[in-house]
Amino acid sequence: GQQVMQIPQYQHVQEGEDFTTYCNSSTTLSNIQWYKQRPGGHPVFLIQLVKSGEVKKQKRLTFQFGEAKKNSSLHITATQTTDVGTYFCAEGAGNNRKLIWGLGTSLAVNP
Amino acid sequence: KAGVTQTPRYLIKTRGQQVTLSCSPISGHRSVSWYQQTPGQGLQFLFEYFSETQRNKGNFPGRFSGRQFSNSRSEMNVSTLELGDSALYLCASSRGLGYNEQFFGPGTRLTVL
Repeated sequence: GQQVMQIPQYQHVQEGEDFTTYCNSSTTLSNIQWYKQRPGGHPVFLIQLVKSGEVKKQKRLTFQFGEAKKNSSLHITATQTTDVGTYFCAEGAGNNRKLIWGLGTSLAVNP
Repeated sequence: KAGVTQTPRYLIKTRGQQVTLSCSPISGHRSVSWYQQTPGQGLQFLFEYFSETQRNKGNFPGRFSGRQFSNSRSEMNVSTLELGDSALYLCASSRGLGYNEQFFGPGTRLTVL
């Protein structure tokens, strides 16, 4: 069955360092979504990628969709304490049109 | 627009009891999905409802059930509660089925003693 691998599970950085989380699938995806969940909060939608090789930017966040549409990454440049939280990818593939969620990457930022 | 609302926000139950959680989606959203979130397990998909019909279901036992009403509001029920059911239950609404952007509610924190 379809599986979603998200790595790393945890990342601890100093404020100002960069951060990247990766999402890998065993199947070709229709799209991929990224969400952020702050501690004690609920997941909030960040972006959706649909096209092969797509790159989208939101301020310090850069999202990429692989050429083969089997992987994706989220890169944060110069992390800030406001970036703390868990970042989830959610993959769309298959005829049932059900989103499959990664386990998330928890980011901690030292001020 | 008001966001997704969930009630109650916190709930404490004992093993063997049953519980009903409620979710009101964003106005105009017709799809409601339910997730269970526990530390280390991420978001586990329970089910998705659209137009009062269950369209997708996750790998949870039959003790977990849900329904959707004509106004798109949804409820989920867990019967014969077990300790392992302690979790944050999140509801998410979206405009349509499948791969649409999900808008999450604040969740219901269920503790089973």
